[in-house]
Amino acid sequence: EAGVAQSPRYKIIEKRQSVAFWCNPISGHATLYWYQQILGQGPKLLIQFQNNGVVDDSQLPKDRFSAERLKGVDSTLKIQPAKLEDSAVYLCASSLSVPGNTIYFGEGSWLTVV
Amino acid sequence: QQQVKQSPQSLIVQKGGISIINCAYENTAFDYFPWYQQFPGKGPALLIAIRPDVSEKKEGRFTISFNKSAKQFSLHIMDSQPGDSATYFCAASLNKLVFGAGTILRVKS
Repeated sequence: EAGVAQSPRYKIIEKRQSVAFWCNPISGHATLYWYQQILGQGPKLLIQFQNNGVVDDSQLPKDRFSAERLKGVDSTLKIQPAKLEDSAVYLCASSLSVPGNTIYFGEGSWLTVV
Repeated sequence: QQQVKQSPQSLIVQKGGISIINCAYENTAFDYFPWYQQFPGKGPALLIAIRPDVSEKKEGRFTISFNKSAKQFSLHIMDSQPGDSATYFCAASLNKLVFGAGTILRVKS
């Protein structure tokens, strides 16, 4: 079974530029998550989708971050304009449903803002 | 109330020893407590999980001990091996996962 796919793996941008990350969840997984992991910290949930509807985006900085999940499968996370403090690993994850099902993580997209 | 506090930040254990990582939580509504293992350059992977109606769960060399009254739970790795060297995260969930800050484990051979 294929895992959660993410791209690009690495991205370096200047502050105030924009960046987009793509995620393809495990086939059949209705729930998709985007987490932000800053170096030395645990992952922090940015947004959670159930199919193509948003379940929780309470910690998403909506002035600069946006995410969509068209057709309830792939998802894109965009940052515009980027700030230095956005340097982190952006982890996409998926699960069959909530709550309590195993969440499977992708390998992450590493963002450095200079 | 949504925080999960994890300790220690880092841990060095001799091969064959026992590694112990502790976590504490405040929200008594949490109903699912997983541990994740993360290797450098990889995403976290579920290691073992427990629900609050059970005081202990064992899977191979990995054991979760859960103390509901103290609002604490811990991960024990028996016979620790160099291949166990990784970062370990505890987490707690009601409708979403809240992660601890992580423990960097190094097992010396």
